[in-house]
Order: sequence, then C-alpha cells, then structure tokens
Amino acid sequence: KNEVEQSPQNLTAQEGEFITINCSYSVGISALHWLQQHPGGGIVSLFMLSSGKKKHGRLIATINIQEKHSSLHITASHPRDSAVYICAAPVNQFYFGTGTSLTVIP
Amino acid sequence: EAQVTQNPRYLITVTGKKLTVTCSQNMNHEYMSWYRQDPGLGLRQIYYSMNVEVTDKGDVPEGYKVSRKEKRNFPLILESPSPNQTSLYFCASSYYRASTDTQYFGPGTRLTVL
Repeated sequence: KNEVEQSPQNLTAQEGEFITINCSYSVGISALHWLQQHPGGGIVSLFMLSSGKKKHGRLIATINIQEKHSSLHITASHPRDSAVYICAAPVNQFYFGTGTSLTVIP
Repeated sequence: EAQVTQNPRYLITVTGKKLTVTCSQNMNHEYMSWYRQDPGLGLRQIYYSMNVEVTDKGDVPEGYKVSRKEKRNFPLILESPSPNQTSLYFCASSYYRASTDTQYFGPGTRLTVL
C-alpha cells in the first residue's frame, strides 16, 4: 500500500508553461511537505503547509486537508526548475511519494 | 552556517564489513532521521529519533542500527552490509516535530556494497 501517491511520475514542459504536480495521501497529518531534489542529488524543503496556500516566488503550494490532497504549481517554468519534486506526509515517521521528475526545455 | 553533515559522501565496501555513516547537525534540532533512496522506490525512512536516547523504526529498519547519545549526532550503523543495502542515504533533522517543522537534509552518502 502507498500512503502517498504522486502524479505525474515524469513531466516534460516547455519554458514558460504552467506546471501542476499532484499529491494524495491516506495518513492523518497536520502538515504536508514539498521537497525538491536537484540533479546533483541534494534535497531542500520547499514548503510545509497545513492549510490553504503558500507562495514562494514562482512556486505555489495548496492543500486540502479534508480531501487529503495537495498540489504544487510552478508558474512561468524555467529550465532551472528541472528537478525531482517529492511530497512527504509526516506522522512521526515520514511517508514519501515516489517523486515527479520535471524537465523544462528551453 | 546551519547545516547537516554526513560522512563519508561516497563509500564502496564489501559484504559483511561493518561500517558507520556519521550524521551531525549544528542547529540544536531534536528530531533526526535516516532515509534511503532507491530508483523506483523513492525515499524511505530507516530510523528516526525524537530526542537523545529515543529512537524508533521507520519503514525499512532491517539491517541497520542507530544510536542517539548526543543531540547533534545520529550515526547509522550497518553491522553486516549486504548488496541490497547499496543505496543513496540521507540524514535529516528538524527543530522539534517532523510533522510541523522544516526538514534540513544532509548532502547524501552513496554506498555501494559488493
């Protein structure tokens, strides 16, 4: 069983496109994390959100706790956004989605 | 600089030879955790610790040991490594609770067991 499901698994976009990555989870959580993993392998935390919407630059994350669903949006995508995006649902331990590999073509 | 450090960054070893991967954070975080990342399986949690002397199993603890004797350090021990433990390992920490605090990740350790 997968506590966290992400879609799509792979995504190729043209520079400038609007991108959406979806995450659904089955565990009861108080906040959901979005992570970014660059081609070099390092992982950084993008967002942690428990309700509504958060924005950081061109990245927007939304969550609906009742429906157990979150989305990550990238506006005006750029080749430097190419990375793997991972959603994570923490109880005390973490449950991770398998990631969405995004490639933005110039 | 606030950071999580791991050593070594790369390690090639042979089956059965005990090894330790160190993890240290300088942010006075209470929560620390180890993950492994494998193609097609994503990140999976091995062990986590909510405070000194408190550790709990994650999804895939078999074949691993941890200890948390000091707040800043959380080493991962492979007593008898096997080829199926070949993976990319990440240590991470957060201030207090995993559910509500930002996770800070180490740079990763790529382990190959022959």
